[in-house]
Amino acid sequence: EAQVTQNPRYLITVTGKKLTVTCSQNMNHEYMSWYRQDPGLGLRQIYYSMNVEVTDKGDVPEGYKVSRKEKRNFPLILESPSPNQTSLYFCASSLDGVRERRDNEQFFGPGTRLTVL
Amino acid sequence: GNSVTQMEGPVTLSEEAFLTINCTYTATGYPSLFWYVQYPGEGLQLLLKATKADDKGSNKGFEATYRKETTSFHLEKGSVQVSDSAVYFCALRRRNYGQNFVFGPGTRLSVLP
Repeated sequence: EAQVTQNPRYLITVTGKKLTVTCSQNMNHEYMSWYRQDPGLGLRQIYYSMNVEVTDKGDVPEGYKVSRKEKRNFPLILESPSPNQTSLYFCASSLDGVRERRDNEQFFGPGTRLTVL
Repeated sequence: GNSVTQMEGPVTLSEEAFLTINCTYTATGYPSLFWYVQYPGEGLQLLLKATKADDKGSNKGFEATYRKETTSFHLEKGSVQVSDSAVYFCALRRRNYGQNFVFGPGTRLSVLP
């Protein structure tokens, strides 16, 4: 089954304790992206990756890191989490990041709810 | 800058009622426009899209028309069902910026039997 998976789905942690949220897709997609969803703000893009070893900042990258060493994986790293990073996080992927084509739909993972105390 | 504005929710309707969720945007150039739906506990799913002015996107009885003159992309459905209860997000994708989306805040729809 074609899907985007995220782990963990729920995480409660404390300020300053490094954490990683994993994201994996099995569709051989080139493009992957991380968003955070906050009430009243919709989804805001954190980082995106056009392909292996190619990453770029989105609209709210501060406090986050990413890596893209393999095509299927795109982990989100919080080196020193703070309470303002408490949010619902979504990973997404699509065939590529450029072309307007009918099958270039963006697929979303189920989300990771993070609470930083 | 680029932004998307949606009507404030929540919206509560009875089954078979007519639905409109307003969406307007601000963008440089000519973005592509999207509606995504999020069911409880799930990620977002693409509902419909339009890539140029006067295009109409449609899916599952929902429709939206790309209106460049009013910078709008309102979502409509003639007869809603209980299963349509979800959060709906309007979004734009900036041209030449890959899949760099800008989302609206979302509108929660509840349909009562």
